[in-house]
Parts: sequence; structure tokens; C-alpha cells
Amino acid sequence: GENVEQHPSTLSVQEGDSAVIKCTYSDSASNYFPWYKQELGKGPQLIIDIRSNVGEKKDQRIAVTLNKTAKHFSLHITETQPEDSAVYFCAASGASGGSYIPTFGRGTSLIVHP
Amino acid sequence: NAGVMQNPRHLVRRRGQEARLRCSPMKGHSHVYWYRQLPEEGLKFMVYLQKENIIDESGMPKERFSAEFPKEGPSILRIQQVVRGDSAAYFCASSPGGSGNTIYFGEGSWLTVV
Repeated sequence: GENVEQHPSTLSVQEGDSAVIKCTYSDSASNYFPWYKQELGKGPQLIIDIRSNVGEKKDQRIAVTLNKTAKHFSLHITETQPEDSAVYFCAASGASGGSYIPTFGRGTSLIVHP
Repeated sequence: NAGVMQNPRHLVRRRGQEARLRCSPMKGHSHVYWYRQLPEEGLKFMVYLQKENIIDESGMPKERFSAEFPKEGPSILRIQQVVRGDSAAYFCASSPGGSGNTIYFGEGSWLTVV
């Protein structure tokens, strides 16, 4: 089955700095890669996603890049703000074997210091 | 447009009791996923269901855990004879179904076993 590795587990930045979270996946047939943000006591919320036919996608201060050859994808947050502090999860799904079940990384706790 | 609804949000059970967690998917979604999140850990897949059909239960513990998604009503995750190790946040997500579809999470049910 799919295996998703996520790094770092904790990321501490100053307000205004950029933050980068990286994930690798094992199943080359995976074709959909969403990112979720989870605030304390709440459910994960989708913030951005990318499909395998695209190398990069951007939405305001958030961008995601995908390298299918290397089987890794990254989340980039620019001009970080304290409200960006949360746990971020990457996921991979859509394997050709019919697995529509997203496999998640272990999460990155992002702390943005004012 | 209501999102994924989970209840109860918080549940306390004594060891040996039963816990029932309910999930109503987003309008128009016919597929439901259950994930478990232990403290400081990621989202672990448990079971994937369609109406009246379990598609994949490879993440479900072999004993005490069961799930259903009847023709009418919410999906239910049932844990019999709970033990302290069952204490966790249980998240339900829904999607329209199919490969590469986004899944949307509810706010979770926090189970505490005392």
C-alpha cells in the first residue's frame, strides 16, 4: 500500500518568514495530493490540492509543488502569520489498484511567532 | 450547505461499555471514511463505506470495532467493550466517491475511556 513520509514534524518560524513542509510517497500510481490544516480541537480542513498532471499550484500565500519523478511534493507558505499556526497534513491517493483512500503523513506542527 | 456532521463531539465511557459515533456526510456525498487520531499522531485510516456496503475495512481492528452506513441515516462507528487504548479522536470524512476525489472532514468525536 501507499506510504507517505512528512518532514519536519515541527517547524518554528518568525512572522513574515516562509515555511516549507515536504512529503514523499511510495506508490507511483498515486495521482492526487491534498493538504489539510488542523487547528486545535477541530477537524482537518482542506487548504490546497494538486493533481499529477500539474507541477505547481498557487492560492494567495500558499503554494504546492509536485515532482512525480522523485515522488515528492511540498507545501510553501509565504509571509506567515500567527493564525497559520496549526498542524498540517499531506496525503496521497488515487492509486490505480482502485484505492480511493487517502494515506496521510504524520503531520507538521507549524508555530509562527509574532 | 452543511458540512460533514459528527456527533457526539465528546464522549466519555467506562471500560467495558460501548461507544457509538455517528456521521452524516455532506449533501450529495455517498462515500464515508473513518479515521482515528491518537495524541501527537497522524490520521490512521479505519474503514471506507458506501451506502449499505463496506468497501475497505483494512484499517479496522479485528475485534470490538464495526462500522455501517445504512440506506437511511448516518454512518455509525461502533466500539464494543471499550478499553483505555481506544481513547482518541475519531474523524469522519465524506466524498462523492471515485479516484482522486477530495474528502472533507467533520469536526471529530473525542472518545475518552475512563
